[in-house]
Amino acid sequence: GENVEQHPSTLSVQEGDSAVIKCTYSDSASNYFPWYKQELGKGPQLIIDIRSNVGEKKDQRIAVTLNKTAKHFSLHITETQPEDSAVYFCAASIDQTGANNLFFGTGTRLTVIP
Amino acid sequence: SQTIHQWPATLVQPVGSPLSLECTVEGTSNPNLYWYRQAAGRGLQLLFYSVGIGQISSEVPQNLSASRPQDRQFILSSKKLLLSDSGFYLCAWSVLGLGVETQYFGPGTRLLVL
Repeated sequence: GENVEQHPSTLSVQEGDSAVIKCTYSDSASNYFPWYKQELGKGPQLIIDIRSNVGEKKDQRIAVTLNKTAKHFSLHITETQPEDSAVYFCAASIDQTGANNLFFGTGTRLTVIP
Repeated sequence: SQTIHQWPATLVQPVGSPLSLECTVEGTSNPNLYWYRQAAGRGLQLLFYSVGIGQISSEVPQNLSASRPQDRQFILSSKKLLLSDSGFYLCAWSVLGLGVETQYFGPGTRLLVL
């Protein structure tokens, strides 16, 4: 089955700096890669996703890049703000009929220092 | 717009007691539904998913079970809780879009088994 690894497990940055979280996956058939942000005591919220037919996607301060050859994808947050502090999860899945099983990374706890 | 509800928000139960957690989705029809468990400080583990009423697939064998009595209702149950069942339980839904399904999570139920 799919195995998703995520690094680093914790990340601290100064407000205004950039943050980068990296994930690798094992199954070359995976073609959908969402990123979730989870604040304390809440459910994960989708912040951005990318499909295998594109290499990069951007939404304001957040961007995701995908390298299918190397089987890795990354989340980039620019101009970080204290409210970006949360746990971020990457995931990978294979488009299949019936249900879409997401395989999650173990999460990165991001702390933005004011 | 679609919304997902989970209740209760928190639950403290003694070992050996039964469990029933409920999840409902509004604003969509025939969603795929998922139950995840998140242990403290760890990633998300898929427990069950359902592609329709009465259709349940189990990902992890354990003393938990799931049922889907209605299209937009998903229930997680146990006859006798174990200490190891403590965790944060998340329900998610998805609908087919652009060939790959995006999952959206509920607010979660925090379960403490004593």
